[in-house]
Amino acid sequence: EPEVTQTPSHQVTQMGQEVILRCVPISNHLYFYWYRQILGQKVEFLVSFYNNEISEKSEIFDDQFSVERPDGSNFTLKIRSTKLEDSAMYFCASGGVPQHFGDGTRLSIL
Amino acid sequence: DQQVKQNSPSLSVQEGRISILNCDYTNSMFDYFLWYKKYPAEGPTFLISISSIKDKNEDGRFTVFLNKSAKHLSLHIVPSQPGDSAVYFCAASQDNYGQNFVFGPGTRLSVLP
Repeated sequence: EPEVTQTPSHQVTQMGQEVILRCVPISNHLYFYWYRQILGQKVEFLVSFYNNEISEKSEIFDDQFSVERPDGSNFTLKIRSTKLEDSAMYFCASGGVPQHFGDGTRLSIL
Repeated sequence: DQQVKQNSPSLSVQEGRISILNCDYTNSMFDYFLWYKKYPAEGPTFLISISSIKDKNEDGRFTVFLNKSAKHLSLHIVPSQPGDSAVYFCAASQDNYGQNFVFGPGTRLSVLP
């Protein structure tokens, strides 16, 4: 069964540095999403992406964040000038109903 | 702003018995509801869904019930198995495609052998 893959599984970054989280969605899906889950909290929506542009974003997704689909297969989340509170699991998802999730990237900001 | 609530953070059930996980929502615009299961170190895995035009959807051991007037849904697992032990998330959306899902905080189910 096709699946969403995310790399790396764990990313450790110094505060203030930029980080790029990578995702390969399921190939025939048209909608892509990023969610995050801070430790002990619920899964929160960040952004959805369709037809090479952002279709919806949450209040969390401020100017620090950006998404890109640089080629036909990858979908990336860039976080500029990371902060301690950006430490979380970041999940990529693709599809509609249901959305299929990757196993996440654990981002640790030091 | 808790649009989707799961008031039981944890639930323990004996193997073979029924597990009932509950979810309440506040946004009357929600039309699609999904249950996801999550094991440690893995992403959420889709389990079962229901749209607002139905009040019940069944898939094997899993049944989801929707009471739209009460803004309440529940997931029944019967019979429960030890492999069902996981965190279960209720999620809701206003759209059937492309819309983001609002997740509840999750309920940790432990099925005891």
